[in-house]
Amino acid sequence: GAVVSQHPSWVICKSGTSVKIECRSLDFQATTMFWYRQFPKQSLMLMATSNEGSKATYEQGVEKDKFLINHASLTLSTLTVTSAHPEDSSFYICSASPLAGGQVDTQYFGPGTRLTVL
Amino acid sequence: GENVEQHPSTLSVQEGDSAVIKCTYSDSASNYFPWYKQELGKRPQLIIDIRSNVGEKKDQRIAVTLNKTAKHFSLHITETQPEDSAVYFCAASRQNGNKLVFGAGTILRVKS
Repeated sequence: GAVVSQHPSWVICKSGTSVKIECRSLDFQATTMFWYRQFPKQSLMLMATSNEGSKATYEQGVEKDKFLINHASLTLSTLTVTSAHPEDSSFYICSASPLAGGQVDTQYFGPGTRLTVL
Repeated sequence: GENVEQHPSTLSVQEGDSAVIKCTYSDSASNYFPWYKQELGKRPQLIIDIRSNVGEKKDQRIAVTLNKTAKHFSLHITETQPEDSAVYFCAASRQNGNKLVFGAGTILRVKS
């Protein structure tokens, strides 16, 4: 149980284009999903907290107009990197916490999306 | 806000030896402390977690201890095996779906 999927697993795009990444909880409902970015040999840095049915909460220094988050249902959150530039190249990982049943604070991670912007 | 420090940054041990990774946190309101294992290019996998109402938790070769007074917690891996080689991250959060703050990670290498 507690499986989180992400799509795509990797993407290469040209500078200036937008890229959408999907995060799904496959066998549980999640009121809250989280989006992280991880640069090589570094830790996971939280970008934003995605709340179903409401606006995302962004961490300091993360541009909300550049990283658009939509949490349309209890099993799906999307992150859109708008007008991507080479410095946006990174490993993007989502996580989700179960809505109920057991400990709601445990986060389960998706497999990540490797974004390369040329 | 919360700040989590993790040591050491790299750790090499001989197969069969024990490995200990330590973390400290700053927010006394934090009460949930998970440990994740991440292999290269893959997702972080939850290996063990502890909540502030207990001081120790064990799962086979893995154990975590928590000292709330000193605000530090540690991961203990006994009888290490080559497949334990990975990056380990500690994290801290307040309960009920609040965000995790991660440590910088520890690269564990188990030499056979």
